[in-house]
Amino acid sequence: EDQVTQSPEALRLQEGESSSLNCSYTVSGLRGLFWYRQDPGKGPEFLFTLYSAGEEKEKERLKATLTKKESFLHITAPKPEDSATYLCAVSYYGNKLVFGAGTILRVKS
Amino acid sequence: DTEVTQTPKHLVMGMTNKKSLKCEQHMGHRAMYWYKQKAKKPPELMFVYSYEKLSINESVPSRFSPECPNSSLLNLHLHALQPEDSALYLCASSQEEGPGGGTQYFGPGTRLLVL
Repeated sequence: EDQVTQSPEALRLQEGESSSLNCSYTVSGLRGLFWYRQDPGKGPEFLFTLYSAGEEKEKERLKATLTKKESFLHITAPKPEDSATYLCAVSYYGNKLVFGAGTILRVKS
Repeated sequence: DTEVTQTPKHLVMGMTNKKSLKCEQHMGHRAMYWYKQKAKKPPELMFVYSYEKLSINESVPSRFSPECPNSSLLNLHLHALQPEDSALYLCASSQEEGPGGGTQYFGPGTRLLVL
């Protein structure tokens, strides 16, 4: 069965404490893997799109990487404003997205 | 500009009311989507429009009726909803629907409460 699994479910970090979020997938024919950030009560905000294994993308304190089975979102020296739910989604036919359950990140100052 | 707008931001309706949610994008995208998101859950796809034609209906109850008047606008008409339909309704758009259709950009959502 096609699945997208994110871990951990929740992560608490101190400001400046770097860490990684994981998104593993078991779909065939991956078309793209997407990372979104979502604040409570708001729509998902696009962060990155990755299309092939080995690809990496960076934006400020965030860096996304992709292998054949999983993706990591690395957060370097996070700040309290990085607190949000981070959603991973995969597209594997058409442009239908399958979302993981998300990782809730809390960064304390 | 990657902006998708949605109105209203909040909506409270009774089970006998008829209301509509509206979504607009000016990125020239040809695919538009409606998602439903319950608290602490990921978005769930409801409908996909491609070139103003309904492409995917994820077995959504008929009390939800989508409409795509033109390539920039997407509506969701609501009628005889149930309290369990209360959720955040998200609109999204992408360049195309097909393989490699590109990133989906989401609007801010409409928070719907059905009493």
